[in-house]
Amino acid sequence: AQSVTQLGSHVSVSEGALVLLRCNYSSSVPPYLFWYVQYPNQGLQLLLKYTSAATLVKGINGFEAEFKKSETSFHLTKPSAHMSDAAEYFCAVSVYGGSQGNLIFGKGTKLSVKP
Amino acid sequence: DAGVTQSPTHLIKTRGQQVTLRCSPKSGHDTVSWYQQALGQGPQFIFQYYEEEERQRGNFPDRFSGHQFPNYSSELNVNALLLGDSALYLCASTPREYNEQFFGPGTRLTVL
Repeated sequence: AQSVTQLGSHVSVSEGALVLLRCNYSSSVPPYLFWYVQYPNQGLQLLLKYTSAATLVKGINGFEAEFKKSETSFHLTKPSAHMSDAAEYFCAVSVYGGSQGNLIFGKGTKLSVKP
Repeated sequence: DAGVTQSPTHLIKTRGQQVTLRCSPKSGHDTVSWYQQALGQGPQFIFQYYEEEERQRGNFPDRFSGHQFPNYSSELNVNALLLGDSALYLCASTPREYNEQFFGPGTRLTVL
């Protein structure tokens, strides 16, 4: 069975500091991996996705993530945090690809950005 | 191009009642998935509809049922509501043979 673990339910950084949100997955077959962001009282917006192409994936708003098979990790990073990055972030795995398979989400990490 | 739309935005029901939530996918998308997001949790997959049939189902009881119409829009029905059904219900649509789900803003259901 597939699963996702997000380490740290709450991360706080200063504006301009590095953002690092951790995600580890479990999958018996090569996974598709996703990072979504959710702003208060809104749905989910896709930040980036890994679909077995390049292991370093660049997304929107300056975020990127690196797929590391040996560590079963897909951590999300951004070099310099902005106040507008404050939101909840979800890592998700899908075995069959998003269109045919369901997404399994982690519990989320709430990112706070201090001025 | 309108994104995924859901109605209503908010809903308050009492235990034992039934509720119907609606979703219109993005133009050109033929697959609709439903998720339940309890407070402080990640979304959990309920089921997915494709070509008007339930293609996959998560670990939810039969009280949760759905439907997809010929225009690809979808409904989620929940019978005999429980307090624990209070959550944000998210709909996601996907174009054929594409590996990305586009989410709507959700319907916030409160069961009293």
